[in-house]
Amino acid sequence: GNSVTQMEGPVTLSEEAFLTINCTYTATGYPSLFWYVQYPGEGLQLLLKATKADDKGSNKGFEATYRKETTSFHLEKGSVQVSDSAVYFCAVTSSGGSNYKLTFGKGTLLTVNP
Amino acid sequence: DAGVIQSPRHEVTEMGQEVTLRCKPISGHDYLFWYRQTMMRGLELLIYFNNNVPIDDSGMPEDRFSAKMPNASFSTLKIQPSEPRDSAVYFCASSLGQGLNEQFFGPGTRLTVL
Repeated sequence: GNSVTQMEGPVTLSEEAFLTINCTYTATGYPSLFWYVQYPGEGLQLLLKATKADDKGSNKGFEATYRKETTSFHLEKGSVQVSDSAVYFCAVTSSGGSNYKLTFGKGTLLTVNP
Repeated sequence: DAGVIQSPRHEVTEMGQEVTLRCKPISGHDYLFWYRQTMMRGLELLIYFNNNVPIDDSGMPEDRFSAKMPNASFSTLKIQPSEPRDSAVYFCASSLGQGLNEQFFGPGTRLTVL
């Protein structure tokens, strides 16, 4: 089955610092890749996605590039804000057929200090 | 739209009692997912439905767990009898169309079994 490994947290940064959260995956077929974010006390929200190799997903200043050769989908942001403090989940699903199951990583807690 | 609605938001019960969690998906969505989130195991998919029909329940931990979707606007997850190890946050999510589309998560139900 599919699996996702993402860097363990917690990650603590100062405001305006550069952020990288690493994510690697194993999957069959032609997987699609996602980053979801969970703010305190809330459910998960889709942050960005990429559906084929070399695609770059971006949203709210966050970016991630689908690297098939390294099976990676690292999340980056050039300048984090206090409001970015949340748990970030990398996820993978395989395309085709009827497999609509998202497989999530364990999540990475990000805390941004002013 | 109000988003995915879950009730109750918090549930505290004693071991052996029956627990019923409820979910109202976003109107028009044809996929509904139940997840469980714990510190130890992260986010796990329990079961998902398409057009009210259960498609994959391989994530349901044991026979004490059951889920139903009697109509397009309502689903329940029942645990009978409950055990302390069932303590977790349970999320419901819904999506429209093919599985590569965004899943919209509810706020979750925090279940504590004493």
